[in-house]
Amino acid sequence: DSGVTQTPKHLITATGQRVTLRCSPRSGDLSVYWYQQSLDQGLQFLIQYYNGEERAKGNILERFSAQQFPDLHSELNLSSLELGDSALYFCASSVQLAGGNTGELFFGEGSRLTVL
Amino acid sequence: AQSVTQPDIHITVSEGASLELRCNYSYGATPYLFWYVQSPGQGLQLLLKYFSGDTLVQGIKGFEAEFKRSQSSFNLRKPSVHWSDAAEYFCAVNNNNDMRFGAGTRLTVKP
Repeated sequence: DSGVTQTPKHLITATGQRVTLRCSPRSGDLSVYWYQQSLDQGLQFLIQYYNGEERAKGNILERFSAQQFPDLHSELNLSSLELGDSALYFCASSVQLAGGNTGELFFGEGSRLTVL
Repeated sequence: AQSVTQPDIHITVSEGASLELRCNYSYGATPYLFWYVQSPGQGLQLLLKYFSGDTLVQGIKGFEAEFKRSQSSFNLRKPSVHWSDAAEYFCAVNNNNDMRFGAGTRLTVKP
């Protein structure tokens, strides 16, 4: 158990719909990362938050958005869903090392999204 | 451009045989280096990490990795593979908060 909790574990929805994925980081971790994993694209970095602020942005579509709340949990919102958005979405949290760099990531078990 | 390369998409080894999974990176400075393992339907679990110091690091499940600065490599090794090691393995590199993952190597273990 990594200490990172993601809900829901599975989600099936239709094209054009909107879903929200939720992540609770490990206790004390201020950084939250979102990744998308699909068969053809591998593990793709979407976005990182640190203590409520967006810190880095990767290959995140404009239809996707995220936020980190004051209690440090994070939500990833996916809208106008397309078939190609079907994937595993992982959340990870990390510690901040001395000097401000990020240590290892601790991953949740993922949310499997199926768009029909 | 900064990148992490795992040259082998798929490797098959016999149970009890030794294993080496390759990882190369292209960064100017020495980044933080990691190996993760992902079993089917699971999240990624940290096997080991290198930040500084001794270039041979030990991890969980009997794995070790060696950082070679001259080759920009961080290869993962295990002397004797068990059937339960069958999984996907990811090398990851963190350079100044830019965390990147390789494409992964799928390990199949033959009985």
